[in-house]
Amino acid sequence: DAKTTQPPSMDCAEGRAANLPCNHSTISGNEYVYWYRQIHSQGPQYIIHGLKNNETNEMASLIITEDRKSSTLILPHATLRDTAVYYCIARTQGGSEKLVFGKGTKLTVNP
Amino acid sequence: EPEVTQTPSHQVTQMGQEVILRCVPISNHLYFYWYRQILGQKVEFLVSFYNNEISEKSEIFDDQFSVERPDGSNFTLKIRSTKLEDSAMYFCASTPPWGSHNEQYFGPGTRLTVT
Repeated sequence: DAKTTQPPSMDCAEGRAANLPCNHSTISGNEYVYWYRQIHSQGPQYIIHGLKNNETNEMASLIITEDRKSSTLILPHATLRDTAVYYCIARTQGGSEKLVFGKGTKLTVNP
Repeated sequence: EPEVTQTPSHQVTQMGQEVILRCVPISNHLYFYWYRQILGQKVEFLVSFYNNEISEKSEIFDDQFSVERPDGSNFTLKIRSTKLEDSAMYFCASTPPWGSHNEQYFGPGTRLTVT
């Protein structure tokens, strides 16, 4: 699986958009970009994933650059409950594929 | 909404004792996983399980560890002789059948404390 690089921490004001970047310059053609988050000591939670097109669901939007070397997770209106560690993971879309977690980005949403 | 459940939420055991951590994956899921997270560290993959056998295991998953799906609903992780360094949060996860999003659904975890 391709290595991803994320900033260790970010801050965001409540109600504002949180934009979390991820670099994955060695991603291969069959690897998807997955985002998970972990709210303090809870189990990781799936957010969104994409291959090359931008994706949106009820939680977030995922913007992937045309060369697929980086992506941005957007939480459009961050709330205090979005404070968590966010993980960007590149992996193939196989049913038995494990997730390889890095250190992620600790997002703190401030009142 | 269906969810993965894990019991107990916290297990305290003495070094050398056997522990069994239990998980009930989401009912129509086919792939099952155990991960662990030592306090302050990354979430680490232990083992994946499909069709009643191990698909993949990490270096951490040595002979002291075993997994079982005894009755078609539970998925267990057994540590035969616990060490102090086994103290961690243990997360179970499951994935729907092939063809869906393949995202993994995690349980709330079991905190294992070895004294």
